[in-house]
Amino acid sequence: EAGVAQSPRYKIIEKRQSVAFWCNPISGHATLYWYQQILGQGPKLLIQFQNNGVVDDSQLPKDRFSAERLKGVDSTLKIQPAKLEDSAVYLCASSQWTGSNQPQHFGDGTRLSIL
Amino acid sequence: QKEVEQNSGPLSVPEGAIASLNCTYSDRGSQSFFWYRQYSGKSPELIMSIYSNGDKEDGRFTAQLNKASQYVSLLIRDSQPSDSATYLCAAGADRGSTLGRLYFGRGTQLTVWP
Repeated sequence: EAGVAQSPRYKIIEKRQSVAFWCNPISGHATLYWYQQILGQGPKLLIQFQNNGVVDDSQLPKDRFSAERLKGVDSTLKIQPAKLEDSAVYLCASSQWTGSNQPQHFGDGTRLSIL
Repeated sequence: QKEVEQNSGPLSVPEGAIASLNCTYSDRGSQSFFWYRQYSGKSPELIMSIYSNGDKEDGRFTAQLNKASQYVSLLIRDSQPSDSATYLCAAGADRGSTLGRLYFGRGTQLTVWP
């Protein structure tokens, strides 16, 4: 089966600019996650969707970050305006549904550099 | 704040040796635990999941879980240079509004030298 698809793979922008990332989960997976991974750290959850609804966005910096999953399949994550501390890899993951024993499968990520 | 702590490493072992990776977690309610392998510049890849106390073996990998001690470990037998990567431990938030969320440790960097 095809894995989680993300684009772009790399993005370089200047601070205060905006950027958007796209994710297409594994076919049939109802739950989609966006993580931020700063160099040398483990992934940190930003937002979790179940179909097209938000399950958990408690760690999303809502003053600058937004995400949507309008049709319950692919998703976009946007940062506007970007800050230097947003330099990180943004990972998208999916699982069949939201549950305690549902393994999450990750895409290749988007490496964001802020100048 | 739920936390997952891993031995900081880096860990270096010779080819053929057993590599032991350790992890502790703070949330007593966690019921699901995962080990991910992450090669440099790549995304995390799921290698083991464990939900019950005891050992779970899959090929050269053995995961061990002790819920009373809030401790998870991963043993890699007959380590190969291709096992050189960062290993991430994750604990699931298994109830309430955070159901499904994974809390990750910082990772332990493993190097297997020939």
